[in-house]
Amino acid sequence: DAMVIQNPRYQVTQFGKPVTLSCSQTLNHNVMYWYQQKSSQAPKLLFHYYDKDFNNEADTPDNFQSRRPNTSFCFLDIRSPGLGDAAMYLCATSRKQVTPGEQFFGPGTRLTVL
Amino acid sequence: AQSVTQPDIHITVSEGASLELRCNYSYGATPYLFWYVQSPGQGLQLLLKYFSGDTLVQGIKGFEAEFKRSQSSFNLRKPSVHWSDAAEYFCAVGPSGGSYIPTFGRGTSLIVHP
Repeated sequence: DAMVIQNPRYQVTQFGKPVTLSCSQTLNHNVMYWYQQKSSQAPKLLFHYYDKDFNNEADTPDNFQSRRPNTSFCFLDIRSPGLGDAAMYLCATSRKQVTPGEQFFGPGTRLTVL
Repeated sequence: AQSVTQPDIHITVSEGASLELRCNYSYGATPYLFWYVQSPGQGLQLLLKYFSGDTLVQGIKGFEAEFKRSQSSFNLRKPSVHWSDAAEYFCAVGPSGGSYIPTFGRGTSLIVHP
């Protein structure tokens, strides 16, 4: 089945220690998104790629970076995690031209910062 | 700008009872509308979507939603709730203009009592 995969499902890191979360998709979608979701809140968009074009949300901290080496993979790098970065990180994909706004989500990575 | 309001933060129902989750939107034209479900520790899964046509939309897991333009609403319903329906439910409205990014509501947490 075509899907969005996130690894790892659970990540524990230390305060200030860089961490990378990964996302891969077999849907061949041209748009990939990274969301941060804290407890009992809606997902908050951090950034997204439309093909290779990177789009950063205005309020995304500089501590967060992303890479998309090819259509299938996208990475979220947190350079110096703080306690406030502990959250669920969701990767999503979509096909802009076909179904505007419909997104396909991965299972998420739960990040704990000690 | 488009927006979504989910007025209920929590809804509690008994197993077997009917369910209605409210969603109101603000949008300049005919909207694209979505309902997603998020089980604890998981990503978001699309329940159903409305783009055009029949205003009563059937989704997965026995859910349906009705688009009412006059009330700017897209309420989610299920005739008989199962304990496994306990989850967070997000309403989203599709992009406007040249964007392709949806706007999510804050979510409604469904609690099911046995």
